[in-house]
Amino acid sequence: QVQLQESGPQLVKPSETLSLTCTVSGGPIISDSYTWGWIRQPPGKGLEWIASISHSGSTYYNPSLKSRVTISVDTSKHQFSLNLTSVIVADTSSYYCVRHAPTYSSGTVDSWGQGTLVTVSS
Amino acid sequence: SSELTQDPAVSVALGQTVRLTCQGDSLRRYYASWYQQKPGQAPVLVFYGKDNRPSGIPNRFSGSSSGNTASLTITGAQAEDEADYYCNSRDSSGFHLVFGGGTKLTVL
Repeated sequence: QVQLQESGPQLVKPSETLSLTCTVSGGPIISDSYTWGWIRQPPGKGLEWIASISHSGSTYYNPSLKSRVTISVDTSKHQFSLNLTSVIVADTSSYYCVRHAPTYSSGTVDSWGQGTLVTVSS
Repeated sequence: SSELTQDPAVSVALGQTVRLTCQGDSLRRYYASWYQQKPGQAPVLVFYGKDNRPSGIPNRFSGSSSGNTASLTITGAQAEDEADYYCNSRDSSGFHLVFGGGTKLTVL
């Protein structure tokens, strides 16, 4: 069973860059059957998809965040990463790394990391 | 704003049946997936596709779809089913994931 684990700072100052890494274990990161992504959830609110990347490096971004987000993958390290620039207080959320079905499919998210709460505050 | 619409809150008596709905134009093309989230925990996939339930999910959880509406039915709701439920699918481009705003299910 694949396992996903987020890592990165829990506190980021406004205007700085939020950087998170997800380590994949228990299954291949190179697979045409899956795409890797990030989803966030502000405290007490709903889920918001941020970005996704295939093992080949094809990237997909939420249009509302696209100007500030970069997603990348390092298959040799079994990791993929998220950078969110110019953060504001409203970016305070639990950030989940996930595995989901590929493009043009239903988008089922079948694996979730435990999530990491990132607070944006000075 | 979500491209998928869910009722914010639904309640059900213990042991009764409840249906949660998710509406959106993209559901005419893509099946919905359903997730259960309990406080302080990551979401868990409970139903997806036309008729798929992940291993370990009780068979009281079932799904259906008609037109632009997907439904998750819990037959004989248990106290442990009290949670937030989210649906998701693709947007019309097929590239992006979208989520409903979530339904808070209370088991009375």
